[in-house]
Amino acid sequence: QVQLQESGPGLVKPSQTLSLTCTVSGGSISNGDYYWSWVRQPAGKGLEWIGRIYPSGSTNYNPSLKSRVTMSVDTSNNQFSLNLSSVTAADTAVYYCASNAGSWGQGTLVTVSS
Amino acid sequence: QTVVTQEPSLTVSPGGTVTLTCASTTGAVTSGYYANWFQQKPGQAPRALIYSTSNKHSWTPARFSGSLLGGKAALTLSGVQPEDEAEYYCLLYCGAALDWVFGGGTKLTVL
Repeated sequence: QVQLQESGPGLVKPSQTLSLTCTVSGGSISNGDYYWSWVRQPAGKGLEWIGRIYPSGSTNYNPSLKSRVTMSVDTSNNQFSLNLSSVTAADTAVYYCASNAGSWGQGTLVTVSS
Repeated sequence: QTVVTQEPSLTVSPGGTVTLTCASTTGAVTSGYYANWFQQKPGQAPRALIYSTSNKHSWTPARFSGSLLGGKAALTLSGVQPEDEAEYYCLLYCGAALDWVFGGGTKLTVL
């Protein structure tokens, strides 16, 4: 089973861009059987699907976030990334990366505050 | 806009059986929704239990099963254990426009 680990700043200022990276171990991010997703969870609330990316770089995004989200894949480092632009306090959440094979990262808290 | 709905809370006795459901506001859930189920305990990341309606991951306990029931996706726990107390989320594929949508979650209490 592949293992996932999120990394990135825990604090982002309003209007700036949130950038997170997920490192994949125990398997290749280029495996055509997999796609890679980001999910977030505000404190005390439910899960929200942000989007997914295939090894080819093809993406699908949540329509409510689509105008602000960009995902990319770095096959040389076995990583994929999330950029969320123009953040507000409403984007404060624990962000998880996940694979369609069932693996999830432990999550990373991102707080949007000046 | 499609909304995915779950029971907000359910209570079950240890050793009992409980069924959690997952509905779509746009109509009956079918195999084409590829329902997934996740378990989340406080302070932990979600854990995947079921994919594509009824398929278990290698780590999924045998007492968990997924199905379609009355136009909804369903997760049944048979022989509930105290450690099954958790929040359970379903995830449905709602088509090319919306892609994947999570339900609001069901808080399962084992009492």
